[in-house]
Amino acid sequence: DGGITQSPKYLFRKEGQNVTLSCEQNLNHDAMYWYRQDPGQGLRLIYYSQIVNDFQKGDIAEGYSVSREKKESFPLTVTSAQKNPTAFYLCASSIGSNTEAFFGQGTRLTVV
Amino acid sequence: QKEVEQNSGPLSVPEGAIASLNCTYSDRGSQSFFWYRQYSGKSPELIMFIYSNGDKEDGRFTAQLNKASQYVSLLIRDSQPSDSATYLCAVNGWGKLVFGAGTILRVKS
Repeated sequence: DGGITQSPKYLFRKEGQNVTLSCEQNLNHDAMYWYRQDPGQGLRLIYYSQIVNDFQKGDIAEGYSVSREKKESFPLTVTSAQKNPTAFYLCASSIGSNTEAFFGQGTRLTVV
Repeated sequence: QKEVEQNSGPLSVPEGAIASLNCTYSDRGSQSFFWYRQYSGKSPELIMFIYSNGDKEDGRFTAQLNKASQYVSLLIRDSQPSDSATYLCAVNGWGKLVFGAGTILRVKS
């Protein structure tokens, strides 16, 4: 089945630890995005990539890092520099940079 | 000024009525416009997309775009209780897809 897979669905980490969230798509999409959603809030853009080996910072990139070494993969690392990492993280992809995007199921990260 | 603005609601409508959701955006260079629906605890799902000025209809949904006024709207006809959700407006300019904070819609039976 084609789609966007985020793993794990739930993730718990201790404060001060880096953690990497996985996002894989088999839709042959060029563009990929990472968003953060806090309770009762909208989606805030962390990073986006329009093509392999290239990515841009979104509105809240501080404390996060990404890589885009393969077309199908866009992992997000939440570093210890991120002051409030507990949130719902959503990955999306689209065929092109201005076309409709589709979302994975999300990863709920809790840092204690 | 936020890039994409929506009234947070909640917007309450009776079952069978028309729900009207609105969105404004700040970047005149924006090229594509989207409406997503998000149920509590779930990821957003695409409802409509629109690229050109005017109306676009799909079943009970109509998206309206006015680039001169930098305004996008979504009409839901014959609203059903299952339409109760948060509706997110998204705008894409130069590859950057930005979302509004969402409008909560409640359809009362």
